[in-house]
Amino acid sequence: AQTVTQSQPEMSVQEAETVTLSCTYDTSESDYYLFWYKQPPSRQMILVIRQEAYKQQNATENRFSVNFQKAAKSFSLKISDSQLGDAAMYFCAYRTGPLYNFNKFYFGSGTKLNVKP
Amino acid sequence: NAGVTQTPKFQVLKTGQSMTLQCAQDMNHEYMSWYRQDPGMGLRLIHYSVGAGITDQGEVPNGYNVSRSTTEDFPLRLLSAAPSQTSVYFCASSYVGGSSGNTIYFGEGSWLTVV
Repeated sequence: AQTVTQSQPEMSVQEAETVTLSCTYDTSESDYYLFWYKQPPSRQMILVIRQEAYKQQNATENRFSVNFQKAAKSFSLKISDSQLGDAAMYFCAYRTGPLYNFNKFYFGSGTKLNVKP
Repeated sequence: NAGVTQTPKFQVLKTGQSMTLQCAQDMNHEYMSWYRQDPGMGLRLIHYSVGAGITDQGEVPNGYNVSRSTTEDFPLRLLSAAPSQTSVYFCASSYVGGSSGNTIYFGEGSWLTVV
């Protein structure tokens, strides 16, 4: 089974600065999808950004961008110009490729991001 | 724009009681699933369904049952609640294809405490 590892249980960043959250994964597949989800204290899971493994270009969504290193099986999230509202738990997730009959998602254990004013 | 709706949001059970967590989605997604989230751990898959009438076990299925009689609904049943089932439960739906395919949509979570 695929595994997703987030080695940083908790991180802190000053408001307006940049922070990078790390994620590595283990897979034998060549086609798959990667995601970052944000979970605020309300516990709702919110999609932040996604990356298709077949795309070499790193995904970006406003202040959020990823550094996808397929050979190294690394998928880090960079948050620029951090805002107080970015404070949350962030989960990295891996989704199996389209050849399977069910798109199973595998989640890391999460990184708690604190934003200091 | 309801998305994925879970009920109840909070529930306290006594050991040995049974209950059903309800989940409904209005996006006509083929895939639905249930996850549990325990402190310090990521979400773990309990059961999933690839369409009406088709279900299968995930990573941690013991103590839970599911059924999928319609595309919209995917209830999760706790057969005989145990303290180890104290957790936050998330229902999710997804589909493959389209501009927003390959993305999973979560409900808001159900907080379950077993005493």
